[in-house]
Amino acid sequence: DQQVKQNSPSLSVQEGRISILNCDYTNSMFDYFLWYKKYPAEGPTFLISISSIKDKNEDGRFTVFLNKSAKHLSLHIVPSQPGDSAVYFCAGNSNSGYALNFGKGTSLLVTP
Amino acid sequence: NAGVTQTPKFRILKIGQSMTLQCTQDMNHNYMYWYRQDPGMGLKLIYYSVGAGITDKGEVPNGYNVSRSTTEDFPLRLELAAPSQTSVYFCASSYWEETNEKLFFGSGTQLSVL
Repeated sequence: DQQVKQNSPSLSVQEGRISILNCDYTNSMFDYFLWYKKYPAEGPTFLISISSIKDKNEDGRFTVFLNKSAKHLSLHIVPSQPGDSAVYFCAGNSNSGYALNFGKGTSLLVTP
Repeated sequence: NAGVTQTPKFRILKIGQSMTLQCTQDMNHNYMYWYRQDPGMGLKLIYYSVGAGITDKGEVPNGYNVSRSTTEDFPLRLELAAPSQTSVYFCASSYWEETNEKLFFGSGTQLSVL
């Protein structure tokens, strides 16, 4: 039962443009969400998070938007850089949950 | 501060063999996890631990065992390896920042069972 869904397996964006990665969730009990970035042959690393009491969180070039009514969140990267090329995982959980629920990931390719 | 360290990085097993994937963290985190990632799939939770001496099953525990004798170490044991266990295994530890849990992952163990 996939509670976090990333429906786009891959995305290609030109350097300098905006990258938008989408994520949907089904569990209305989720109250915080995180994005992880993964390079080949490495473990995922934390990128940015958002609590359900907020609808936006920004950290440098990365902004996450949360639409609770639509059970949807998105990660915006502006401007995109070639070093952003990686697989991005969306994850959600509730404070009473025991572990994060991950989506399948979206592979982002930023071309020069 | 090494973070989360996993060994080995790669391993090939024959069907029916056993092995232990090692995981250690030096951040004094109470929570530790084992995930597996199959090609094109997200991370699925195998086992987790909320502290030394306490472990519990995750989403896909069959064919695996864990122990947590110390805060630092959380080994994952495969007793009778099967081809379905071919995957990349990630160990993670976490802490809570306000109401958010932050996971730190190891670099993974790529396991092939032939």
